[in-house]
Amino acid sequence: GENVEQHPSTLSVQEGDSAVIKCTYSDSASNYFPWYKQELGKGPQLIIDIRSNVGEKKDQRIAVTLNKTAKHFSLHITETQPEDSAVYFCAASPGAGNMLTFGGGTRLMVKP
Amino acid sequence: ETGVTQTPRHLVMGMTNKKSLKCEQHLGHNAMYWYKQSAKKPLELMFVYNFKEQTENNSVPSRFSPECPNSSHLFLHLHTLQPEDSALYLCASSQDRGYQPQHFGDGTRLSIL
Repeated sequence: GENVEQHPSTLSVQEGDSAVIKCTYSDSASNYFPWYKQELGKGPQLIIDIRSNVGEKKDQRIAVTLNKTAKHFSLHITETQPEDSAVYFCAASPGAGNMLTFGGGTRLMVKP
Repeated sequence: ETGVTQTPRHLVMGMTNKKSLKCEQHLGHNAMYWYKQSAKKPLELMFVYNFKEQTENNSVPSRFSPECPNSSHLFLHLHTLQPEDSALYLCASSQDRGYQPQHFGDGTRLSIL
């Protein structure tokens, strides 16, 4: 089955700096890659996703890049703000009818 | 009103108790999921229901018993739990089984004494 590795497990940045979280996956059939943000006391919330027919997707300060050849994808957050502090999860799925496999999570701390 | 609502938010129970977790989704989705989230471990898929029918059971111990009376409601019945079952239990829904994205509730924090 699919295996998703996520790094780093913790990341501390200064407010205004950029943050990058990386994930690798094992199943070459995977074609859907979402990123979830989980704030303290809340459930995971989808913040951005990408499908394998594109290499990059942006939404304001966040972007996701995908390298299907290398089987890795990354989340980029620019101009970080204290409210970006949370745990971020990547996931992968072979697509319709298949389940998500999650990475282990990254705790991002943005210092004011 | 939030899309996926879970109750209770917190639950403390002894190993011999019987309790139930409830999930309700207001998104008109057909598929619902139970996940277990433990510290320092990836989210673990437990059960999947599609149109009220169970389609996945990821080798979950029988002390966890799911119930899906309709596409909007999902329950997780608990009995004779073990201390290692203490975790955050998350419910999610999606348009159809395996269809993405999934929408999560805020979870029930379960503590077993």
